[in-house]
Amino acid sequence: EAQVTQNPRYLITVTGKKLTVTCSQNMNHEYMSWYRQDPGLGLRQIYYSMNVEVTDKGDVPEGYKVSRKEKRNFPLILESPSPNQTSLYFCASSLLGNNQPQHFGDGTRLSIL
Amino acid sequence: ILNVEQSPQSLHVQEGDSTNFTCSFPSSNFYALHWYRWETAKSPEALFVMTLNGDEKKKGRISATLNTKEGYSYLYIKGSQPEDSATYLCAFNAGNMLTFGGGTRLMVKP
Repeated sequence: EAQVTQNPRYLITVTGKKLTVTCSQNMNHEYMSWYRQDPGLGLRQIYYSMNVEVTDKGDVPEGYKVSRKEKRNFPLILESPSPNQTSLYFCASSLLGNNQPQHFGDGTRLSIL
Repeated sequence: ILNVEQSPQSLHVQEGDSTNFTCSFPSSNFYALHWYRWETAKSPEALFVMTLNGDEKKKGRISATLNTKEGYSYLYIKGSQPEDSATYLCAFNAGNMLTFGGGTRLMVKP
């Protein structure tokens, strides 16, 4: 089954404790992206990647890192999480091309105390 | 950060009503306009991706139109059903990045 898989689905952690949210897709998509969703603000793009070893900042990259060492994986790293990073996070992937829709994972709900 | 606006923010309709909502986006540097349907506790699912001015797309009872010169897209739902209840998101593609609107939350009463 074609899918985007995120882990964990839920995480409660404390300020400053490094964490990684994994994202994997099995559709051989070149484009992968991370979004956060906050009430009243809609989905905001954090980072995206056009292909292996090619990553770029979205609208809200501060406090996050990403890597794209393999085509299928695009982990999101919070080196020193803070409470303002408490949010619902989505990973998405697509083929390259302006007419290609995004395929979303199920989301990861992060709470940082 | 680009400005993508959706209106209304929320909408309550009766089963059988037809409804429509609006997505406004910048009229310059346009590559594509996406529409997604997002049900509670699920992930957003793509409805349409439109790239050309004047594009019209249809999927069952849902259709969308696009005007890139004036910077707006309409989403129409004909004969709303309770299962249409969801948040509908539009996203503006200005190249490699997607900027989402805040969404329109539709609630259809049986």
